[in-house]
Amino acid sequence: NAGVTQTPKFQVLKTGQSMTLQCAQDMNHNSMYWYRQDPGMGLRLIYYSASEGTTDKGEVPNGYNVSRLNKREFSLRLESAAPSQTSVYFCASSPGQGAYEQYFGPGTRLTVT
Amino acid sequence: AQTVTQSQPEMSVQEAETVTLSCTYDTSESDYYLFWYKQPPSRQMILVIRQEAYKQQNATENRFSVNFQKAAKSFSLKISDSQLGDAAMYFCAYRSAFAGGFKTIFGAGTRLFVKA
Repeated sequence: NAGVTQTPKFQVLKTGQSMTLQCAQDMNHNSMYWYRQDPGMGLRLIYYSASEGTTDKGEVPNGYNVSRLNKREFSLRLESAAPSQTSVYFCASSPGQGAYEQYFGPGTRLTVT
Repeated sequence: AQTVTQSQPEMSVQEAETVTLSCTYDTSESDYYLFWYKQPPSRQMILVIRQEAYKQQNATENRFSVNFQKAAKSFSLKISDSQLGDAAMYFCAYRSAFAGGFKTIFGAGTRLFVKA
């Protein structure tokens, strides 16, 4: 039982390049999330998927797109990376909303130069 | 919109002593959930404790307990008998019990140092 896995763990991009961050969970959770973590700001929600087939914007969605490929996988795409997207990205999953605990992946450190 | 504020960027505690981390939040909702998450140097976020707003009794998990003051919108975390492994970033978080319950609002975090 691996929990939530993310690939890659580290990535360096040049401004304007694109990339996709992959996330998968093996806990049969309905809901999945993408966050970014910046120094002094905690975690901020980028997008979430309440259930398979649905996606919704979070607090900071600009510059990102997501795909809920199936119940297990939820990817985050940067179409044209900008230095402001330098951050640590976390994927998380939970059985549902409200009181449910979120389970987090190990994070991806992305640097855009 | 809801906000979560952690006013202590850093705290320090001696091993075996007790420390309290502060968290205040702002919301107009009557029902919600509050969480404390721990992020050790490995970056892996782990749930420490959870509190339902409709419950008056403060949540407790082993050495971790909360002081939940609903009227004051305060949710502090007390760590008793601190251990070296408690050194980490601690994040306070809010989640609605209503339709917005997929969105978690995190505070900026408090870094806890534990001295041997």
